[in-house]
Amino acid sequence: DQQVKQNSPSLSVQEGRISILNCDYTNSMFDYFLWYKKYPAEGPTFLISISSIKDKNEDGRFTVFLNKSAKHLSLHIVPSQPGDSAVYFCAARGAQKLVFGQGTRLTINP
Amino acid sequence: DTEVTQTPKHLVMGMTNKKSLKCEQHMGHRAMYWYKQKAKKPPELMFVYSYEKLSINESVPSRFSPECPNSSLLNLHLHALQPEDSALYLCASSHQPTAASGRASRNEQFFGPGTRLTVL
Repeated sequence: DQQVKQNSPSLSVQEGRISILNCDYTNSMFDYFLWYKKYPAEGPTFLISISSIKDKNEDGRFTVFLNKSAKHLSLHIVPSQPGDSAVYFCAARGAQKLVFGQGTRLTINP
Repeated sequence: DTEVTQTPKHLVMGMTNKKSLKCEQHMGHRAMYWYKQKAKKPPELMFVYSYEKLSINESVPSRFSPECPNSSLLNLHLHALQPEDSALYLCASSHQPTAASGRASRNEQFFGPGTRLTVL
């Protein structure tokens, strides 16, 4: 039973445009959500997070939106840059552990 | 020092070998984690150490044996592995154990670069 889902395995966006990565979850007990970015042959790098008591958190080019009623969160990257090409994982905090989504491969085209 | 280091970067071993993976952090984090990641899959939690004590074992086979000698070090001892155990093994740490209460920002996990393990 996959509690955190990223339904788009891949996404291509033109440089300078907005990238929107989506994540859905099923467990209403999750109270904190994180986005990680992963380059090949490297470990995931923490990007941005949001508490379940908020609906938006912004850090530079990255904004995470949380819609609790829909159990949906999204990561917006604007403007998208070539260095943003990576696999993005969303993760949710449950009892003593993080539960990860399957990941979305983002490719930024020049 | 704001990173998690892992050695070796790559490891090839036979099914009868005994080897160890090492992880180190000097950020004063009190929780450390082992994850296994297969290609095109998310990281899968294996073990959690909280204040140097094993707090979670996600039903991992006994051929994987974790050890936490001190608050900065985490080892994963490998013995009699199978080819299907080939994967990227990731270590992570966080200020405090990931729990459903408390200051959430201190539960962010920081990952090492991983050890790419191949079992022949």
